[in-house]
Amino acid sequence: QVQLVESGGGVVQPGRSLRLSCAASGFTFSSYGMHWVRQAPGKGLEWVAVIWYDGSNKYYADSVKGRFTISRDNSKNTLYLQMNSLRAEDTAVYYCASDVGGYAFDIWGQGTMVTVSS
Amino acid sequence: DIQMTQSPSSLSASVGDRVTITCRASQSISSYLNWYQQKPGKAPKLLIYAASSLQSGVPSRFSGSGSGTDFTLTISSLQPEDFATYYCQQSYSLYTFGQGTKLEIK
Repeated sequence: QVQLVESGGGVVQPGRSLRLSCAASGFTFSSYGMHWVRQAPGKGLEWVAVIWYDGSNKYYADSVKGRFTISRDNSKNTLYLQMNSLRAEDTAVYYCASDVGGYAFDIWGQGTMVTVSS
Repeated sequence: DIQMTQSPSSLSASVGDRVTITCRASQSISSYLNWYQQKPGKAPKLLIYAASSLQSGVPSRFSGSGSGTDFTLTISSLQPEDFATYYCQQSYSLYTFGQGTKLEIK
């Protein structure tokens, strides 16, 4: 079935780095744009980044621009988020999502928790 | 950047009630407006896309309307499983979510 599974979350000190992964299955991963969305504890949803189906274009929220990098490996059906210079305010559940239908985020992973704390 | 403002932030209602949630964009976004439902500890679920199109598998009691800057999500007859938090999202210029509306049982 159609599925996205995130991994790589954990506890990290401020200023350090972490890489999240999102493994896709059940659909043609290489045909669709992919997103990262995060949700701080008790807060709302915040879009983080998007990458085009072929990796040709990438866009970021201002809050992560210059620190986070989105990438994908279509041969491995996997999406990545490299997070550098992490801050306490980056603490959140990170979801990957896809817009297979072409309009909105219709496939979501279960999320992976990132905690930035000393 | 486009800002999205939902109202109300929270809402108490009873099973069987008709409920409307409003979302306003800081500039015109045509019909590039989506609605999601999120339950505690779960990923969001797409309900409505392109302002008024019902996502496959979503009950017909959910409907969306609007264009330009003002949009609404309506639940025609609340069911117990509908108590959740609802978010609007614009996809006209990158992506922005509203702050959410928590729908609670009265």
